[in-house]
Amino acid sequence: GAGVSQSPRYKVAKRGQDVALRCDPISGHVSLFWYQQALGQGPEFLTYFQNEAQLDKSGLPSDRFFAERPEGSVSTLKIQRTQQEDSAVYLCASSFNRDRTYEQYFGPGTRLTVT
Amino acid sequence: SQQGEEDPQALSIQEGENATMNCSYKTSINNLQWYRQNSGRGLVHLILIRSNEREKHSGRLRVTLDTSKKSSSLLITASRAADTASYFCATPRKGTLTFGKGTMLLVSP
Repeated sequence: GAGVSQSPRYKVAKRGQDVALRCDPISGHVSLFWYQQALGQGPEFLTYFQNEAQLDKSGLPSDRFFAERPEGSVSTLKIQRTQQEDSAVYLCASSFNRDRTYEQYFGPGTRLTVT
Repeated sequence: SQQGEEDPQALSIQEGENATMNCSYKTSINNLQWYRQNSGRGLVHLILIRSNEREKHSGRLRVTLDTSKKSSSLLITASRAADTASYFCATPRKGTLTFGKGTMLLVSP
């Protein structure tokens, strides 16, 4: 079956531009996660949705980062006024489990480069 | 901040050899997971071991967990060039998964 998909796969933005990253989770998965992965590091948690409810946004680094999942399936991570330090791979993951600490299925990621 | 830390940071072996990588963590957990990441397939879940388990096998993978030492190991037997990837342990912390920095494994033909 189809896995988690993300688009675009690559995004180059000029500093100050807004970007929107899309995630299509596995159908029926109630839990959706966003992570940020810097070069040479492991993924760092950003935010978590259970269906359409954003239950945890403690990992969002600033108020320039905003995520939504209005109908409980597709999610969008928006970064306003991008900065160079936002350059990273943004990973989306989904899970059928409501417990956030079990197996997650990851998408291929969006590599964001801010110039 | 990271909960799990993998060791070594990098490992280079020949095909057919075994690869062992370790993970240490700081707080009590209910499970520990290992993931693999390569450029072709992204981040993929390999195996989950629960806190009441000491050892688990999946194909050529063997994972151990020592909760008294707060450590885990991942053994890949009879490695193949396709095993070349970064390997991460992930543990629950503050209600979500936290990942270490990973071990970069290079398997040469």
